[in-house]
Amino acid sequence: AQSVTQLDSQVPVFEEAPVELRCNYSSSVSVYLFWYVQYPNQGLQLLLKYLSGSTLVESINGFEAEFNKSQTSFHLRKPSVHISDTAEYFCAVSGDSGYALNFGKGTSLLVTP
Amino acid sequence: DTGVSQDPRHKITKRGQNVTFRCDPISEHNRLYWYRQTLGQGPEFLTYFQNEAQLEKSRLLSDRFSAERPKGSFSTLEIQRTEQGDSAMYLCASSFVEGYGYTFGSGTRLTVV
Repeated sequence: AQSVTQLDSQVPVFEEAPVELRCNYSSSVSVYLFWYVQYPNQGLQLLLKYLSGSTLVESINGFEAEFNKSQTSFHLRKPSVHISDTAEYFCAVSGDSGYALNFGKGTSLLVTP
Repeated sequence: DTGVSQDPRHKITKRGQNVTFRCDPISEHNRLYWYRQTLGQGPEFLTYFQNEAQLEKSRLLSDRFSAERPKGSFSTLEIQRTEQGDSAMYLCASSFVEGYGYTFGSGTRLTVV
């Protein structure tokens, strides 16, 4: 079975600073990887995904993540964060099931002025 | 495309009562999924449908949980004889058969008192 470990439960950062949210996965098969963002009292929104091809994937709001097969990682980065980026971020992995996603426990990103 | 709708947004019930939640997926999507999210955790897969067929239900938490998707449109998730441990956010998502473009609803928050 595939699983995800998000290494930081909380990440405080100042506005306009860079940030990295770490995600490691375990799997014996090819995987698809995802980052979702959840704002308070809302559902999850897909931020970006890696299915195949280029190992660097980008979102429309400045986030990027790099699939590293040798390190089994899919860390999320942003060079300069905004207050509005404050949210819970979830890394997820799929695998041979073809339908279910396995989520990490989430990382709470808190951006302060 | 109005997104995935879930109703109600919040439900408070007494222990032992039955509750039912509704999910209206994006109309073009064939697949519909139910997840549960408890405080401080990532979403946990429960079950999914492809059109009206429930193709995976072994991960429903107990026999008190059941789901239906009549006619392949909206879905309901029922919990019988609720327990305090059932308190959680119940999330619905939908997608096309191919790919992993999940769209999540805003969820139903259940509180069992």
